[in-house]
Amino acid sequence: QVHLVQSGAEVKEPGASVKVSCKASGYTFTNYVIHWVRQAPGQRLEWMGWINAGNGNTKYSQKFQGRVTTTRDTSASTAYMELSSLRSEDTAVYYCAREQAAVTHFDSWGQGTLVTVSS
Amino acid sequence: DIVMTQSPDSLAVSLGERATINCRSSQSVFYRSNNKNYLAWYQQKPGQPPKLLIYWASTRESGVPDRFSGSGSGTDFTLTISSLQAEDVAVYYCQQYCSTPRTFGQGTKVEIK
Repeated sequence: QVHLVQSGAEVKEPGASVKVSCKASGYTFTNYVIHWVRQAPGQRLEWMGWINAGNGNTKYSQKFQGRVTTTRDTSASTAYMELSSLRSEDTAVYYCAREQAAVTHFDSWGQGTLVTVSS
Repeated sequence: DIVMTQSPDSLAVSLGERATINCRSSQSVFYRSNNKNYLAWYQQKPGQPPKLLIYWASTRESGVPDRFSGSGSGTDFTLTISSLQAEDVAVYYCQQYCSTPRTFGQGTKVEIK
């Protein structure tokens, strides 16, 4: 059974960085792409970027270009998303999600990580 | 970017009745090369991550009750819950995955009347 387990909630000050992890189990980690999606309070889901867990290729939304970095540790079957220069508008639940195959839907999601940006 | 617009924003339906949610994309999400619509529907309950219901516009994910169905092509799509159950109370999102950035609709909240 596929599981994506994310790291716990974070509270950060404006200007800081946050790194969220997403540990995969139940499948071959390097055969899939991991996406990162966030949801601010009362807002729609917002796609941030993806990482190919096999070759490490990445692609980011223009909105977050320069502030977001996705990495992975294949030995730990874990993907990471780091967001820098945090501001209050970055307060949101951040999700990782697995892409079932090349250019397709997200078939499994992590439980979400709440990141609160506050001074 | 492809803009996804859902209607209505919310609806209240009696138990056992039909619920219909619409989704429109600002550009076609249909690919002639493989005859597929790159459109998915997700269900999100409070405090939970989204759950995949439908992909390729009309293919039901394994384990999803058959009261959920998807239809449409090109730019106009529909999610139908044929007989609403109490456990279907949730927010439903459509998503296009034919281009980056992957974009979602604003969500439709389904409640019991």
